[in-house]
Parts: sequence; structure tokens; C-alpha cells
Amino acid sequence: EDKVVQSPLSLVVHEGDTVTLNCSYEVTNFRSLLWYKQEKKAPTFLFMLTSSGIEKKSGRLSSILDKKELFSILNITATQTGDSAVYLCAPQTSGSRLTFGEGTQLTVNP
Amino acid sequence: NAGVTQTPKFRILKIGQSMTLQCTQDMNHNYMYWYRQDPGMGLKLIYYSVGAGITDKGEVPNGYNVSRSTTEDFPLRLELAAPSQTSVYFCASSYPPGAGEQYFGPGTRLTVT
Repeated sequence: EDKVVQSPLSLVVHEGDTVTLNCSYEVTNFRSLLWYKQEKKAPTFLFMLTSSGIEKKSGRLSSILDKKELFSILNITATQTGDSAVYLCAPQTSGSRLTFGEGTQLTVNP
Repeated sequence: NAGVTQTPKFRILKIGQSMTLQCTQDMNHNYMYWYRQDPGMGLKLIYYSVGAGITDKGEVPNGYNVSRSTTEDFPLRLELAAPSQTSVYFCASSYPPGAGEQYFGPGTRLTVT
């Protein structure tokens, strides 16, 4: 059975802090790993990672994948209150199926 | 482009009733998906479809049925609603196969009492 574990489940920080969100996975027929942000509505796409060691960046967010150790991290630098959301990690397998983790609830206080 | 649209936005059902959740996409995507999300949890795959006329079960298919007669539409049918089906339902689509990103609809919040 496919398994995705995200940690921490919940995180409270102050504006300006840097956070690291973790995702470990055990899935069959791995193709890529996706990160989504969810703010009390539908998830919105952040990154798709297919190769180990290549960092993807978008502004203050960055992510990297380790296919040997089966994990990914999402970093957010200089956090803002608008970063408050649930961050979901989802390995993609055959048929473009996604298996989602429980998510990390990030709260950024002013 | 409207993207992925879902109706209704909210619905309250009594135990034993049936209903259909509608999902339509205008991006000509081959792949479509139905997920449910319980409070404080990630999304779980109910059913998916790789093209018109082809559907397959996901992780939690019991109590649901789907059909895919056109590329655009992927309705989800609940038969004999149960309180355990209280959840938020998301429809998503993607194209081409393996390209990665799934585009999500706004969701349907369903309560069964």
C-alpha cells in the first residue's frame, strides 16, 4: 500500500522566519512528486519534481527531491502571513494518480 | 477558460438518499479524478478516468459510482448516502498523461445527516 508521511503536521512561526516542510514516501511506480498549497479551498499547484538533487524555486519557495532516500522538502524563506495554509505533498504514480499526505498546517503570525 | 467546474457547491442529504455531483472541464484533458477530503486530512482518490468510456477505482471507491461518456464531464454518483460520506469532494483533471499537474475544481461540501 502506498504511503506518504508529512512532518510536522502543524507549525506556528512568526513573519520573517524560515520553515522546512518534510515529505517521505513509499509508493509503487513512482513518476514524480508534487507540492500543493491549500487555503480552505481547492489545492493550488506549487512544484513538480522528477529528478533528484535539482532544486525548483519560485520566489521565496523552493523544493528538492531525493529519490534514493524517498523524501522531499519544501522550504519557505522570509515567511509572510499569506503563506498560512496547508501544504500537501503528493507522489505521482502510474495513471497520473496522486497519493496525498495529510498535509502540514502552517500558521504565520504577524 | 473556466477550468474545472463543480456543482453544487453545498448539499445536505438525508441518510439513504442519492445524488450526483457534477464535474466539467473545458481544457480538453484526458485524465479526470474524484477525491474526497475529510476534516484535517489529505485527499483520497475515489475514482479516476483516463479517457471517455474508461474508469477505474481509486483508494476509497465503496459507495460511489462514476461514468465518463464525454471528455468534458465526469459525474460522481452517491447511492444510499451514509454519514461516513460527509466530506468535501474535489474533481480534478490533467493532460497529457504524466505531465503532472492536476487542476482542481472548487469542491462540493456534502453533509449526510
